[in-house]
Amino acid sequence: AQKVTQAQTEISVVEKEDVTLDCVYETRDTTYYLFWYKQPPSGELVFLIRRNSFDEQNEISGRYSWNFQKSTSSFNFTITASQVVDSAVYFCALSGPGFNDMRFGAGTRLTVKP
Amino acid sequence: DAGVTQSPTHLIKTRGQQVTLRCSPKSGHDTVSWYQQALGQGPQFIFQYYEEEERQRGNFPDRFSGHQFPNYSSELNVNALLLGDSALYLCASSPGTAYNSPLHFGNGTRLTVT
Repeated sequence: AQKVTQAQTEISVVEKEDVTLDCVYETRDTTYYLFWYKQPPSGELVFLIRRNSFDEQNEISGRYSWNFQKSTSSFNFTITASQVVDSAVYFCALSGPGFNDMRFGAGTRLTVKP
Repeated sequence: DAGVTQSPTHLIKTRGQQVTLRCSPKSGHDTVSWYQQALGQGPQFIFQYYEEEERQRGNFPDRFSGHQFPNYSSELNVNALLLGDSALYLCASSPGTAYNSPLHFGNGTRLTVT
């Protein structure tokens, strides 16, 4: 099966706290891509990052960082020093040659309180 | 540079009616995918259009159909609406059908079936 699991339905933190959003995936493909998207209240999914299955190097972009571990089939997303504007639903997604669409997890709703 | 645009923003229909949703892809993109996002869930793939043909299809009944025009814009049609069709319908575009391309999403059309 090709699927993405985001076990955390909702997370609430206070501004300036660090927060990690978990993502676990399953796929039979040896080559695949993982993505993170942010969905603010406006509804539009905003692309944040793409990672291919052969690149396990962690990535940092400003306050955002991503930890990809093939050994545990996880692609976790950390926001450092969270801000109110980070409040949104975050989706992890998976795509590969063995299936015909981008598979999304159920999402994690992050609320950052001032 | 215009992103993905969808119309209408909101729509209320009665069970049994038919509905047409419209999407214009991001400039330079020739592939359009449609997703259904029920409340509190991740987007579910409906189908993908490329070169005016349906290339891929998710697990949706034939009541869901679509079309792509020569200018790459697309329509999603749903016949014989059911209460369960109430959802946010998202259009996404990409430059080609490659599975490693990030999808660029519109703000969606919120469909309510009463």
